Amino acid sequence: SQQGEEDPQALSIQEGENATMNCSYKTSINNLQWYRQNSGRGLVHLILIRSNEREKHSGRLRVTLDTSKKSSSLLITASRAADTASYFCAKNSGGYQKVTFGIGTKLQVIP
Amino acid sequence: DVKVTQSSRYLVKRTGEKVFLECVQDMDHENMFWYRQDPGLGLRLIYFSYDVKMKEKGDIPEGYSVSREKKERFSLILESASTNQTSMYLCASSLGRYQETQYFGPGTRLLVL
Repeated sequence: SQQGEEDPQALSIQEGENATMNCSYKTSINNLQWYRQNSGRGLVHLILIRSNEREKHSGRLRVTLDTSKKSSSLLITASRAADTASYFCAKNSGGYQKVTFGIGTKLQVIP
Repeated sequence: DVKVTQSSRYLVKRTGEKVFLECVQDMDHENMFWYRQDPGLGLRLIYFSYDVKMKEKGDIPEGYSVSREKKERFSLILESASTNQTSMYLCASSLGRYQETQYFGPGTRLLVL
């Protein structure tokens, strides 16, 4: 079964609004990563949060991790049309870098 | 910047053909990965390699094989292509055991007729 399930599967917001995407997982993790994919392209790494961390920031991105609930969220503040993409969480539970990706959240930011 | 390149962006093959997908990374990364991406299923790991000539099966290795003769190059081989292997194939690499960030290539969209 897929680890790192994103919710919602699709999200449409107006430019300037905040976008929140959630990711749940089933078993313990070493870290959880968020990636972005523009249509028809490869994935780009955004943020990595370790199991002993609760929150990380990078520019307009904020990631939280709640290990007791086995969930993470990605917040994009003041969204821009250029943020339109699919966002994936990826769970790493150790061993040779292997990560398990979820099915992604497709974000559309309307100008 | 890390660069991961894939030999083709688009590929059309016939059922039964042998297909080679090539991936090259230029940053001396230890680990390389092949995924396929299908709508509604996300990314699924086919094979990965943590060293030259080393390979490990991922979640869906059936119908695929891989080759890593040089550190920078990781090839995915479809021995006898089938229509259910029509997909987007993504290659990725990562630095070493404790560097978890993966760097992806642009993807190869394969159509098997």
